[in-house]
Amino acid sequence: SQQGEEDPQALSIQEGENATMNCSYKTSINNLQWYRQNSGRGLVHLILIRSNEREKHSGRLRVTLDTSKKSSSLLITASRAADTASYFCATDEGNSGYSTLTFGKGTMLLVSP
Amino acid sequence: KAGVTQTPRYLIKTRGQQVTLSCSPISGHRSVSWYQQTPGQGLQFLFEYFSETQRNKGNFPGRFSGRQFSNSRSEMNVSTLELGDSALYLCASSFSTGVNTEAFFGQGTRLTVV
Repeated sequence: SQQGEEDPQALSIQEGENATMNCSYKTSINNLQWYRQNSGRGLVHLILIRSNEREKHSGRLRVTLDTSKKSSSLLITASRAADTASYFCATDEGNSGYSTLTFGKGTMLLVSP
Repeated sequence: KAGVTQTPRYLIKTRGQQVTLSCSPISGHRSVSWYQQTPGQGLQFLFEYFSETQRNKGNFPGRFSGRQFSNSRSEMNVSTLELGDSALYLCASSFSTGVNTEAFFGQGTRLTVV
């Protein structure tokens, strides 16, 4: 079953613009992770934000987490054509003491030169 | 440090056959999870292994099974293949199974059932 739901499903922007993707989830979580996938290949881990964190940065990436609204956002600043990919949020509920990720269906980002 | 290695990268099988996929985790990682990705269902959790023990299992039929060896390498097996089993199968490794542990994925095995 899907826990995270990304919004929008697809996003098309020009190089240099910022891209914002949102993720909503349903149950309490230990952490939320964002991944990138290029054209049906493996997933690349971008960033992990813990349930007690509100904001995290990594290079051109900024992730926020609002546990009261059960939502997260991923901001990519100054987008590049190489950022073209699908982006997934994954929630770690882990209430059994170990980690299982539940993924959303992803946002397809197209960055045009 | 080498990443997660999955073999083979591509596979074509006939309905009714069985298939075995392999995953070598990052050195030092003891947890291996498997996921199935399809256009319709997205990414779905199959199972997780830690220290040769299956710790968690997703909602898949018994035709899907797996195991983990003492060197943390893992295999998953699908028996009596169906057309709907066509998917990208992704393996992820983690240092431990504790919460707040990052999972690193391999490039996947693309299975096509004809």
